[in-house]
Formats: sequence, structure tokens, C-alpha cells
Amino acid sequence: GEDVEQSLFLSVREGDSSVINCTYTDSSSTYLYWYKQEPGAGLQLLTYIFSNMDMKQDQRLTVLLNKKDKHLSLRIADTQTGDSAIYFCAETLERYQKVTFGTGTKLQVIP
Amino acid sequence: KAGVTQTPRYLIKTRGQQVTLSCSPISGHRSVSWYQQTPGQGLQFLFEYFSETQRNKGNFPGRFSGRQFSNSRSEMNVSTLELGDSALYLCASSPGPANTEAFFGQGTRLTVV
Repeated sequence: GEDVEQSLFLSVREGDSSVINCTYTDSSSTYLYWYKQEPGAGLQLLTYIFSNMDMKQDQRLTVLLNKKDKHLSLRIADTQTGDSAIYFCAETLERYQKVTFGTGTKLQVIP
Repeated sequence: KAGVTQTPRYLIKTRGQQVTLSCSPISGHRSVSWYQQTPGQGLQFLFEYFSETQRNKGNFPGRFSGRQFSNSRSEMNVSTLELGDSALYLCASSPGPANTEAFFGQGTRLTVV
């Protein structure tokens, strides 16, 4: 079955690194995503990783995937106040455009 | 390149009424998905359309329906509105039938009173 879990809240100081964690249960997942949602806004796709990859880096963002433990993480280097938002982990199967989202992690960046 | 456009942005309806929400995907994208976001349930999948065909449906009652037109624009309809239907409805578009990147619109905030 599909179930994606995240911790609800994370607080970091500006300039530090943030690590947001996610666990999923569907071993058939092919794509794993990280979305950002700012207050009153829609979802912004930050990055995604194929299930046959272990790591993906994109500027300040690093995604790590541990398929054995079904664990996905998003590391934000040099966290800025503009990074304050809710971050959603999501998974999907290859053939279907049905994205299953986690509960979201609210990131608070303290100046 | 224009993004995903959802209209209207905000809507207030009365219990028992019906509502139609619209989504225009990114030009060239043929897949459109709909999601409901509420504080209690989070983000839940409603349905997905590709080339005017519904390919996948979430666990929502039959009051929730949708369709896709030949130009890939999509509408979703909710009939006999209930207070619990108050939510942010998000639409996402993707280029093709296989799942790659899903780009979301700003959403329509529906309030049922």
C-alpha cells in the first residue's frame, strides 16, 4: 500500500543546513518528489529522483534515497528565511499520474 | 511559457449548491490531475485525465466528477456541496502519459458555508 510519512515540524537557524526526512512504504514507487508550498500558494516542484538513483544534487538541494529502508531525505544547505515553507515528500508509480503525498514538514528558519 | 492556470482563485458557495472549477495545463501538456488539500486530510488525489480519458480515480464520492477537453483543459465539478468540501483544490499538469514532472497551479480555495 501507499503511505508517506514525514515529521511535522523543523526549526533551523539561518545559514545552517536543514534535513527533512520522509519514509514511504510502496516498494513499487518509481519517482520520488519534493515539493515546497508557501502560505497561500500552490505546490512548487523542487526536485525529484528516480528510484534507481541514490543521490541527486541541485545547487543548495541534495536528495538522498535509501531504497532498502524506503527513506528519502532533502538537505537544504545554507538555509535562508525564504526557505520557510511546508515541504512535501511524494511518491508515484511509473504508469500512473497519481501522486501520493506525505503529511508535509513545516520548516521554520530563524534569523 | 505560461504555467498551470486555475480559475477562479477563490469561491464561496452554500451547502447544497454545485461548483465547477477550471484548470488550463501548461501548453503541450496532456495529462491533468486534481487534488484536494485540507488541514485534516492533507493532500489527496481526486482523479487524473489524459487525452480526455479518466485514467485514475481517488477515493471520493460520486459527487466529485471531472472531464478533460480536446485542448487538454480540465474541469472538475462538485455537486450537492457539503461543509467538508471546503478545501484548496489543486490541479497539476504533466507532459505525457508516464509520470514525470507534475507542475501545480496556485489552486482554487473553495469555502462552503
